[in-house]
Amino acid sequence: AQTVTQSQPEMSVQEAETVTLSCTYDTSESDYYLFWYKQPPSRQMILVIRQEAYKQQNATENRFSVNFQKAAKSFSLKISDSQLGDAAMYFCAYRAYSGAGSYQLTFGKGTKLSVIP
Amino acid sequence: KAGVTQTPRYLIKTRGQQVTLSCSPISGHRSVSWYQQTPGQGLQFLFEYFSETQRNKGNFPGRFSGRQFSNSRSEMNVSTLELGDSALYLCASSLEGTRSGELFFGEGSRLTVL
Repeated sequence: AQTVTQSQPEMSVQEAETVTLSCTYDTSESDYYLFWYKQPPSRQMILVIRQEAYKQQNATENRFSVNFQKAAKSFSLKISDSQLGDAAMYFCAYRAYSGAGSYQLTFGKGTKLSVIP
Repeated sequence: KAGVTQTPRYLIKTRGQQVTLSCSPISGHRSVSWYQQTPGQGLQFLFEYFSETQRNKGNFPGRFSGRQFSNSRSEMNVSTLELGDSALYLCASSLEGTRSGELFFGEGSRLTVL
């Protein structure tokens, strides 16, 4: 079974600084996708960034980028120029084929990010 | 374009009762997944429906069930509620159940069991 581990339950960052959230996963699959989702307080979860396992180039979306190390099964999220609106729970997630046409998403336990003004 | 809509947003039940939660996916989305979110266990996959068929089910007891209608709207039901069923239940939809497909989440239904 696939597992996703986020070892940092909570983190904080000063506004305008850079922070990196860690994620490791365990899988025997070679074809899969990795995601970072953001869940602001009392608001719906939204996709921040995604990475295909077959692509060596790290994904980037504006101030958000990832460091994908496939051999190490590591997928960290870097947030540059942190803003107050970045404060949220961040979930790392893994998605691969789980049979019968279904692609199941497995989440880590999350990292609560606080942004200090 | 309307997002994923979940109803009710909040509800309180007592042990032994049953509950039905509803999810309306984004128009055109045929895949609907359900997740249970608790502080202790995090987000756990319940089941996925695609074109009215359950394609995948997580490791939950048979008290948890669901269905999908021809318009892609989905419901999940929990019978004989237990205290441990208190959680935020999230519904997510996608165009189709693909590996790369982005899931769009609703705001969730927060269930409290007393």
